[in-house]
Amino acid sequence: QSALTQPASVSGSPGQSITISCTGTSSDVGGYNYVSWYQQHPGKAPKLMIYEVSNRPSGVSNRFSGSKSGNTASLTISGLQAEDEADYYCSSYTSSSHVVFGGGTKLTVL
Amino acid sequence: QVQLVQSGAEVKKPGASVKVSCKASGYTFTGYYMHWVRQAPGQGLEWMGWINPNSGGTNYAQKFQGRVTMTRDTSISTAYMELSRLRSDDTAVYYCARDLIPAIAAAGTGYWGQGTLVTVSS
Repeated sequence: QSALTQPASVSGSPGQSITISCTGTSSDVGGYNYVSWYQQHPGKAPKLMIYEVSNRPSGVSNRFSGSKSGNTASLTISGLQAEDEADYYCSSYTSSSHVVFGGGTKLTVL
Repeated sequence: QVQLVQSGAEVKKPGASVKVSCKASGYTFTGYYMHWVRQAPGQGLEWMGWINPNSGGTNYAQKFQGRVTMTRDTSISTAYMELSRLRSDDTAVYYCARDLIPAIAAAGTGYWGQGTLVTVSS
């Protein structure tokens, strides 16, 4: 199972919106509505930001939103803030009943 | 509140085995799948597998088949991950992580342990 494809880095200024893509195949992202997004700050455990493509867990800001089209899922962060600077990972359920992660995207807030 | 508390850091020699524990509290242990995820220094997240604490059923990533064993002890609400035949590239932080939604293995892991650093060095 190959890792999902994410851009290595994205950047944006405070207040702007950014989108991170996550591309898989019809055997994972495209085949199931089980795409999740995680935020990870240095030295910390990952935090779930989006589950089942577009749902936010309790306590996650509504500035974070998720979507999917075909084999590509996306995470959008609006009203960018300094504390959003972190690594972001997507994950998906697969046809083998496994989970696969993306390679991660480093978000820099300029 | 949900808590996952993992065992402490380990230093192992190549070829040895390591067993990491993850003690759960604040919820019904048997109701939610538990995943194990690792992260090598400076690298991304890597899914290793899951265990269904209710049935004991497991599903491992192809990469770890034959080397990893995930078990649980429901009497003490604890999950375990044992990795054998350790190599230097197994040096990583190992996390247990609980699914957000009951009885589903893939909805997203909403709760994570603090991580256990396993160092493999001769």
